[in-house]
Amino acid sequence: SQTIHQWPATLVQPVGSPLSLECTVEGTSNPNLYWYRQAAGRGLQLLFYSVGIGQISSEVPQNLSASRPQDRQFILSSKKLLLSDSGFYLCAWSLRGSDTQYFGPGTRLTVL
Amino acid sequence: SQQGEEDPQALSIQEGENATMNCSYKTSINNLQWYRQNSGRGLVHLILIRSNEREKHSGRLRVTLDTSKKSSSLLITASRAADTASYFCATATNRDDKIIFGKGTRLHILP
Repeated sequence: SQTIHQWPATLVQPVGSPLSLECTVEGTSNPNLYWYRQAAGRGLQLLFYSVGIGQISSEVPQNLSASRPQDRQFILSSKKLLLSDSGFYLCAWSLRGSDTQYFGPGTRLTVL
Repeated sequence: SQQGEEDPQALSIQEGENATMNCSYKTSINNLQWYRQNSGRGLVHLILIRSNEREKHSGRLRVTLDTSKKSSSLLITASRAADTASYFCATATNRDDKIIFGKGTRLHILP
């Protein structure tokens, strides 16, 4: 069966510090991968998605970036965090050709 | 950009009652999905309805889709305390590999 992992579960970082959030998927090959951000009590904002290694589509211009160094690994990064980067970050995967997405447990990021 | 818009934003009902949530969207879609999110957790897929379907059932869930009105509804029958969560609709087109989520309905089941 497929599983998706995200870490860390929570993170508190000072403004201006770097960020690296990791997401890995097990039990499937060639998945589509997604990063979302959710502000408190709000909907999901799609940040990046990837249909293959090294292929990243950016949805929202900002100081975040994403990389997919391996087929089942998706990394969200920032060189310098802003206060507005605080939120709940969710990674998701889907099978190629399917619209159903499967979500990880999320990372709660607080930037102080 | 937000495609789906859920209504109401928040809903409180007594345990055992039925809960109905609505979703409206703006453009033509291939399918529409409903997801549930418990507080502080990831989303869980509940049900998918295709654009050529009008109604679909899964356990206590009933979803309808009216493409002429660009709207969908999610009915949860005989609600339970465990149904307390936020519910999101998400729409997919045939143009790309992404789905667009609405802002969600927060459902609270009162004991």
